[in-house]
Amino acid sequence: GAGVSQSPSNKVTEKGKDVELRCDPISGHTALYWYRQSLGQGLEFLIYFQGNSAPDKSGLPSDRFSAERTGGSVSTLTIQRTQQEDSAVYLCASSLLVRGETQYFGPGTRLLVL
Amino acid sequence: SQQGEEDPQALSIQEGENATMNCSYKTSINNLQWYRQNSGRGLVHLILIRSNEREKHSGRLRVTLDTSKKSSSLLITASRAADTASYFCARTDSNYQLIWGAGTKLIIKP
Repeated sequence: GAGVSQSPSNKVTEKGKDVELRCDPISGHTALYWYRQSLGQGLEFLIYFQGNSAPDKSGLPSDRFSAERTGGSVSTLTIQRTQQEDSAVYLCASSLLVRGETQYFGPGTRLLVL
Repeated sequence: SQQGEEDPQALSIQEGENATMNCSYKTSINNLQWYRQNSGRGLVHLILIRSNEREKHSGRLRVTLDTSKKSSSLLITASRAADTASYFCARTDSNYQLIWGAGTKLIIKP
């Protein structure tokens, strides 16, 4: 595709509900990243996928957060039993081969937990 | 956690002036990248500079890297209103994980 796409662009949910966020990376990119950004802050790393290797989940803040990447392409980030502190913009990025290269970001999903 | 330090946190200058933002870090790097984020275009990569490079240019942008001082700077020359954005430095650590700073908010006044 032309760029990284994410859906939905905005999500409002009630505390305790589960949410699923989707990311479509650039076609052919093997590396995919999820980040979280709170208002006025920098990026917080969540998880990294590289090809068929086991993902680097070291940034996931709790076991309520999980992510998968099917077929080496599309990824979904799932937040179970959402809390108000989960409210943030969730950004997905991809890079051609490996981490440490230039990352191309999607527009993000703005999540608001009421 | 974020281990890059950017300064200033905010910078407001007149259109046409030059803007300089700095980024410092504590441990060794493989490369350092600068990104821009604004509401219109999201987060966009600007320049990647490798640890064995000292300076790179891209249009009105100039990035320098001083590994002895563990710092980098981003210079934007002849600023324009469209340069108003937040600018982030991100460095790759020994595991090639990207570590992000908190960003500098740049405002260009017309």
